[in-house]
Amino acid sequence: TQLLEQSPQFLSIQEGENLTVYCNSSSVFSSLQWYRQEPGEGPVLLVTVVTGGEVKKLKRLTFQFGDARKDSSLHITAAQPGDTGLYLCAGNAGNMLTFGGGTRLMVKP
Amino acid sequence: KAGVTQTPRYLIKTRGQQVTLSCSPISGHRSVSWYQQTPGQGLQFLFEYFSETQRNKGNFPGRFSGRQFSNSRSEMNVSTLELGDSALYLCASSRDSNWSPYGYTFGSGTRLTVV
Repeated sequence: TQLLEQSPQFLSIQEGENLTVYCNSSSVFSSLQWYRQEPGEGPVLLVTVVTGGEVKKLKRLTFQFGDARKDSSLHITAAQPGDTGLYLCAGNAGNMLTFGGGTRLMVKP
Repeated sequence: KAGVTQTPRYLIKTRGQQVTLSCSPISGHRSVSWYQQTPGQGLQFLFEYFSETQRNKGNFPGRFSGRQFSNSRSEMNVSTLELGDSALYLCASSRDSNWSPYGYTFGSGTRLTVV
């Protein structure tokens, strides 16, 4: 069974601070995706990383895929209250996703 | 374009009953997956269908079943409901047959409460 561990589970920060969320596994994934979920809604895809060592930027969000394709990180610069939500990493193995436990982020104004 | 539509949004059932949830994928998407989300276990994979065939199944008891129709719409059924089946059930669709670099588009889910 492939497992993805996310850390931290909870994060409460002030507006303007930076943060990093980690997603680690002992397994190799063909790709890794990051989703953001708001209460009462389904997860929304933020990014897909495919190549080991790949770095993708989405405005203030920077995603990195580890060289061995077993881990990933999400860095948010100058967090804003609108970034509040549940961040989920998901490893793609064949035609199913294995999700990490999620990081619940709260950004206070 | 229309997103993934799940019906109903909310459902309350009694232990021992059965329930059927519906999912309409994005037009042109042939793969439909189902996930269960609970506070304790997070998001767990139930099963995936492609062209009316179940191609992958998660570690859930046989009470959980599903099917996909020729128009790619999918249903999942849970029989003999237990209190622990209370969860948000999410459906996701994608266009590709195997892995999806384009990611999956999730519906808003069906919140099932078993009392």
